[in-house]
Amino acid sequence: KAGVTQTPRYLIKTRGQQVTLSCSPISGHRSVSWYQQTPGQGLQFLFEYFSETQRNKGNFPGRFSGRQFSNSRSEMNVSTLELGDSALYLCASSTETSGSNEQFFGPGTRLTVL
Amino acid sequence: GEDVEQSLFLSVREGDSSVINCTYTDSSSTYLYWYKQEPGAGLQLLTYIFSNMDMKQDQRLTVLLNKKDKHLSLRIADTQTGDSAIYFCAERRTGGFKTIFGAGTRLFVKA
Repeated sequence: KAGVTQTPRYLIKTRGQQVTLSCSPISGHRSVSWYQQTPGQGLQFLFEYFSETQRNKGNFPGRFSGRQFSNSRSEMNVSTLELGDSALYLCASSTETSGSNEQFFGPGTRLTVL
Repeated sequence: GEDVEQSLFLSVREGDSSVINCTYTDSSSTYLYWYKQEPGAGLQLLTYIFSNMDMKQDQRLTVLLNKKDKHLSLRIADTQTGDSAIYFCAERRTGGFKTIFGAGTRLFVKA
């Protein structure tokens, strides 16, 4: 079974631009979560989608948004990029049917904002 | 991370045991996890423990849970250089559908 894939792996943008990151979960997984990882803040929860519905959202400004498609693939969008948005963005999927709710992570997209 | 605390660094010698500690805040959390992140990679689940357990052992890994103190630890026996990585503690909160991660402990293993 293929793992979680994220595209692109690396991205360089300038302040004020917008960016869309993509995540394809493991086949059969309906839950997709997004996290922002920075050296200073660790892993911060952005949002979680299940069956195309956002079930929970972290404490990020409205510039950060996401969506999930009927095939469970998910995208997150960041508008009006700021220097502080430079980070590794990780996507994780889970089945939500196993009791442990184990999350499987993709390799991440490293976003650099200049 | 949001209210899950870990020390940032730990250095051990190869062959010694490593103990990484974590405190969490939600006493109703159902599952507690340990993830490992190697350079340039995403997180990989190492092990997890259900909240009604005190201990779980899996080969070189031992997880201890003190629910009263909301304290979780991961012991790695016979630590190897390949264990050098960042280790994240995480809790799955009841309701809210989210998993909260600590900031990660960077483990250095000296040969």
